[in-house]
Amino acid sequence: DSGVTQTPKHLITATGQRVTLRCSPRSGDLSVYWYQQSLDQGLQFLIQYYNGEERAKGNILERFSAQQFPDLHSELNLSSLELGDSALYFCASSVGADLGEQYFGPGTRLTVT
Amino acid sequence: AQKVTQAQTEISVVEKEDVTLDCVYETRDTTYYLFWYKQPPSGELVFLIRRNSFDEQNEISGRYSWNFQKSTSSFNFTITASQVVDSAVYFCALLATDSWGKLQFGAGTQVVVTP
Repeated sequence: DSGVTQTPKHLITATGQRVTLRCSPRSGDLSVYWYQQSLDQGLQFLIQYYNGEERAKGNILERFSAQQFPDLHSELNLSSLELGDSALYFCASSVGADLGEQYFGPGTRLTVT
Repeated sequence: AQKVTQAQTEISVVEKEDVTLDCVYETRDTTYYLFWYKQPPSGELVFLIRRNSFDEQNEISGRYSWNFQKSTSSFNFTITASQVVDSAVYFCALLATDSWGKLQFGAGTQVVVTP
């Protein structure tokens, strides 16, 4: 158990819908990262927040957005969902902003039908 | 730009055999970190090791060992005396200076250990 929690574990929704994935980092960690794992793209970095501020951005679609709240939990919002958005979405956390080990949560499996 | 190559898609071994997973990385940075993660069938990503670019000492942790060679830009991982519980996908990843925070993952190597 990494100490990072993600909810829900599974999510099934229809195209065009909007969903919110939630992540709570390990106690003491200030950074939260979001990654997408799909069969065709592999594991891809989406976005990082550090202590409430956006710190780094990867290939995150404009339909996707995230935020980190004052209690450091984070939410990833996915809207206008397409079939291709079906994937495993991981949240990770680390103590610092840049260099530390990233500990991953169990993931949320999103299926868009 | 950073790149991590794991050329082996799948490796199948019989229990108690050793297995070595290759990882080759590309970066222009002199300061970087290399990682290995394990993804068992249950799906979670488990952190195994982090190594910085200035530390080329090999590391051993139980049945796991890592061989870091800057000269060949490789960070290989060996599982000694494999067990069925080692069956998983193993990912090598790179964290480099000009993209701090963004782990660049390889495609992963599926290890199948049969009794």
